Amino acid sequence: AQSVTQLDSHVSVSEGTPVLLRCNYSSSYSPSLFWYVQHPNKGLQLLLKYTSAATLVKGINGFEAEFKKSETSFHLTKPSAHMSDAAEYFCVVTEGRGFKTIFGAGTRLFVKA
Amino acid sequence: SQTIHQWPATLVQPVGSPLSLECTVEGTSNPNLYWYRQAAGRGLQLLFYSVGIGQISSEVPQNLSASRPQDRQFILSSKKLLLSDSGFYLCAWSVLAGVTDTQYFGPGTRLTVL
Repeated sequence: AQSVTQLDSHVSVSEGTPVLLRCNYSSSYSPSLFWYVQHPNKGLQLLLKYTSAATLVKGINGFEAEFKKSETSFHLTKPSAHMSDAAEYFCVVTEGRGFKTIFGAGTRLFVKA
Repeated sequence: SQTIHQWPATLVQPVGSPLSLECTVEGTSNPNLYWYRQAAGRGLQLLFYSVGIGQISSEVPQNLSASRPQDRQFILSSKKLLLSDSGFYLCAWSVLAGVTDTQYFGPGTRLTVL
């Protein structure tokens, strides 16, 4: 069975400082892993995905994530936060087909001026 | 490129009234389609998915139903809304590429049942 845990429900950073959103997963197979971002009252936007190619994945808006199999982690990072990054972020794991997708509970990112 | 539309964007309905939410996808053929609900303070709950016309699978028993009358059209319905049906409803599509099924989401419909 697969599962995903986002370790922080809320993260607060100052503008211009690094962002780290933590995600751990469990999967019986080789999973695909995703990060999505959701701004208030909007749909989810795909930030990046890992599909068993390079373990360091670069996404949109300067975000990247590293797949670490030994730690079963897929943490999302960004070197310098921008006010527009304030949103909710979801870590997602899937074992092949989309209906076997598991969403994390979400991490709300606050960015202070 | 592919786009996904949902309407209406917002909806306020009385308890006991019917519901119809529509989702359409452009720029792709034979997509997998999904309906999710996001209740306040909770994560995403998969309600229905469809792998083809007329093929609907339900993940959670509830007051809602789904239909797929055309390849790129997915409809979420209810005969009588409950207060607990309030939430943010998201439609998504995917096409299996290799071993990866990446989902792309629509803008969502905010439903308030009073």
